[in-house]
Parts: sequence; C-alpha cells; structure tokens
Amino acid sequence: AQTVTQSQPEMSVQEAETVTLSCTYDTSESDYYLFWYKQPPSRQMILVIRQEAYKQQNATENRFSVNFQKAAKSFSLKISDSQLGDAAMYFCAYRTGGGSQGNLIFGKGTKLSVKP
Amino acid sequence: DAGVIQSPRHEVTEMGQEVTLRCKPISGHDYLFWYRQTMMRGLELLIYFNNNVPIDDSGMPEDRFSAKMPNASFSTLKIQHSEPRDSAVYFCASSLYRGNYGYTFGSGTRLTVV
Repeated sequence: AQTVTQSQPEMSVQEAETVTLSCTYDTSESDYYLFWYKQPPSRQMILVIRQEAYKQQNATENRFSVNFQKAAKSFSLKISDSQLGDAAMYFCAYRTGGGSQGNLIFGKGTKLSVKP
Repeated sequence: DAGVIQSPRHEVTEMGQEVTLRCKPISGHDYLFWYRQTMMRGLELLIYFNNNVPIDDSGMPEDRFSAKMPNASFSTLKIQHSEPRDSAVYFCASSLYRGNYGYTFGSGTRLTVV
C-alpha cells in the first residue's frame, strides 16, 4: 500500500522569505500523480500544485514550485516570497495512475506559520 | 459553478442520534469521495463513487456509517447511533476522470457528538 510522509509537523517562515515543505512517499508504481493541498483556518481544502510522475520537469504555479525527485520518492513544496495569507496546513497527497482506483492518499500535514 | 456544496456546515447532535450529511458535487464530475478529518488520524477516505456507483467502502469505520448517491448531483453520508468518537470534519470531494487533475473539496461539515 502506498504511504505519504510529511516529517515536519510545523514550520515557520518570515514574510517575504522562502520556505520548503518536505514530503516523501512509498510506492512500487511508476505511474502516479502528486499534489499539494492548502487548508487555511477556514478549513477549505485548496489545490496548490500537481505533478505527474512521468514528467521530469518540476511543476510551478506562481510563487509555488516543487522539487520532484522520483528515484528518491521525494516531493517537496517551495513557497517563495511568503505572504501572511500562506499561513495554513499543507498536505501532500498521492494518487495512483493506473486502474480504476481514484482515491487520494494524504500525509499528516505541515502547519506553516508566517511571521510579519 | 458554485463548487462542491456541503450541508450543514456545523452539526451538533446528542449521542445515539442519527445524522445525515449532504453533498452536491460539481456538475459533470464523475467521481465523488467522502473523507473524514481528525487530529489523530488525519484525512481518511471513507468511501468513493464512480458514476453514482460505490467503488470502495473499505474505509467506512462501522456498519453505523452508510453512504448513498441516488443521482449524479447528490450524495449523503449517514451515521446512525452516533458516538462522541464520530466527532470530526467530514469532507465531500468530486473529480473528473479519477482525479488526475486533483479533487475539488467542499467546505466540510464539522460534526460534534455530545
């Protein structure tokens, strides 16, 4: 069974600085998808960025980018120019690419604080 | 589209009562998921549907939990004989084509059983 591990329960960053959140996963599959979700205090789950495992190029979305290391099974999220609104729980998630199975497997999350 | 709509946003009920949570997925999405979030266990998949058919309900914790999807625009999660340990945030999410582009989540229902 696939597992997702986020080893940093909490992180803190100064406003305008850069922070990297770590995520590792365990799978025997070669085809899969990875995601980062943001959950602010409003509790809404918001998709931040996605990565397809067969693509070597790291995904980017404005200030958010990932460092995808397939061999190491690592998928870290970098937030540049951190803003107060980035303060939230961040969840890494895995989804298999094959078969009919569709569910996302989530890590335990990292709570990010942004200091003004 | 208004996104995934869940109701109620908050629910407080007494132990032993029956609770029904509701979800309206995004129109055209063919997958619907029910997740439960707690501090101890994080986000857990309870059940998911494809084209209104339940595909995997192995995450449903007990027979007290049941879910239905009578049509493409509505799903319910029912908890019978509720217990304090059922207290959690319950999320509904929907996706197109197995979620290769991610899921869209509702705002969740915070259930408190006293």
